[in-house]
Amino acid sequence: LAKTTQPISMDSYEGQEVNITCSHNNIATNDYITWYQQFPSQGPRFIIQGYKTKVTNEVASLFIPADRKSSTLSLPRVSLSDTAVYYCLVGDDSGGYNKLIFGAGTRLAVHP
Amino acid sequence: DAMVIQNPRYQVTQFGKPVTLSCSQTLNHNVMYWYQQKSSQAPKLLFHYYDKDFNNEADTPDNFQSRRPNTSFCFLDIRSPGLGDAAMYLCATSRGQENEQYFGPGTRLTVT
Repeated sequence: LAKTTQPISMDSYEGQEVNITCSHNNIATNDYITWYQQFPSQGPRFIIQGYKTKVTNEVASLFIPADRKSSTLSLPRVSLSDTAVYYCLVGDDSGGYNKLIFGAGTRLAVHP
Repeated sequence: DAMVIQNPRYQVTQFGKPVTLSCSQTLNHNVMYWYQQKSSQAPKLLFHYYDKDFNNEADTPDNFQSRRPNTSFCFLDIRSPGLGDAAMYLCATSRGQENEQYFGPGTRLTVT
């Protein structure tokens, strides 16, 4: 299982774009990159998933370089409500046994 | 509409007194997971069911058991809770073994 490395914490201000980078040097061919968000006293919530290049949804964008050894979650124009822990995970989404291993995550604090 | 429901949200039990946490889902997903999350730590997978097939993580203590009587319900039984078992217990579901898991709000367990 590929291990992920993320910054422990980040600070930002309302209205700014936030980019959180995750390293996954030993990602496997079948692994997808998935990001979750967790607010205090709540379960994690799926944000976005990608395999390569760029993925965008209504919440975030995910940038994945050609070698796939890292990925960057981009949150456009953050607000105070984006203060949360963000987890980067890699896992096989091809139908084989999939176990999500949560790393330490990145604590994002958005300030007024 | 609630999709993954956990009851109760808060549970207090005494040291050594068996306790059962429950999870139900309205998504008709094949897979149900139980995670343990201690304060300021990442969620840790305890076990999961793929339909009726039970998959235990190697480092999950024997003190933790699970039952899945039907597709919609899954239970976590802690046979003899210790002080170290105080944590948030998260239930999640997924369609097949995809990376997108739907988490419930969690049950916070206190052991006195």
